[in-house]
Amino acid sequence: QSALTQPASVSGSPGQSITISCTGTSSDVGSYNLVSWYQQHPGKAPKLMIYEGSKRPSGVSNRFSGSKSGNTASLTISGLQAEDEADYYCCSYAGSRVVFGGGTKLTVL
Amino acid sequence: EVQLLESGGGLVQPGGSLRLSCAASGFTFGSYAMSWVRQAPGKGLEWVSAISGSGGSTYYADSVKGRFTISRDNSKNTLYLQMNSLRAEDTAVYYCATEVGSTVTAQFDYWGQGTLVTVSS
Repeated sequence: QSALTQPASVSGSPGQSITISCTGTSSDVGSYNLVSWYQQHPGKAPKLMIYEGSKRPSGVSNRFSGSKSGNTASLTISGLQAEDEADYYCCSYAGSRVVFGGGTKLTVL
Repeated sequence: EVQLLESGGGLVQPGGSLRLSCAASGFTFGSYAMSWVRQAPGKGLEWVSAISGSGGSTYYADSVKGRFTISRDNSKNTLYLQMNSLRAEDTAVYYCATEVGSTVTAQFDYWGQGTLVTVSS
């Protein structure tokens, strides 16, 4: 059960936009519109930011958006703020199993 | 308010067993699938196991299949993870998480604070 592939780190300045990619296969990301994204601050539980590829839960800023093309999903954060600095994980349903990405550390410069 | 409270973690020797519990409140527990997700120290998230809202369907990661058993008691609003034949690589914080619906779809909208399991001699 290979993990989804994410960049280890990304960075951006306040106000800028960044995109985190999440590459899977035709057995997971490519087969289902069931990609979710989680934000995790140090020592805290993960928080759902995007579900079903592009939907935002109530209370999540519209600065966060999700998309998918083929076997790759993406999370875009616009208007970067200091509090966005955290680890981000993608996750996909894969038919009777679930697979996470390795995580991306976002640094706000 | 949705609350998930894990318990049962601790120090156990290799080959030992442990049962984790996740007490849920603030929602209709039996209407939602649940999962266990773990995070080894300094590492990323790893899905461990999932169960449908009715308890009729269960799923496991290859790394725990045959050693861990997920179950739920909808009358007690509680999720369980029975962990046997524990290995050092099972050392992690274990989170329980709710799905957005009654079936397993990997969309986890609520998470507990986690319970630490340490497997060491």
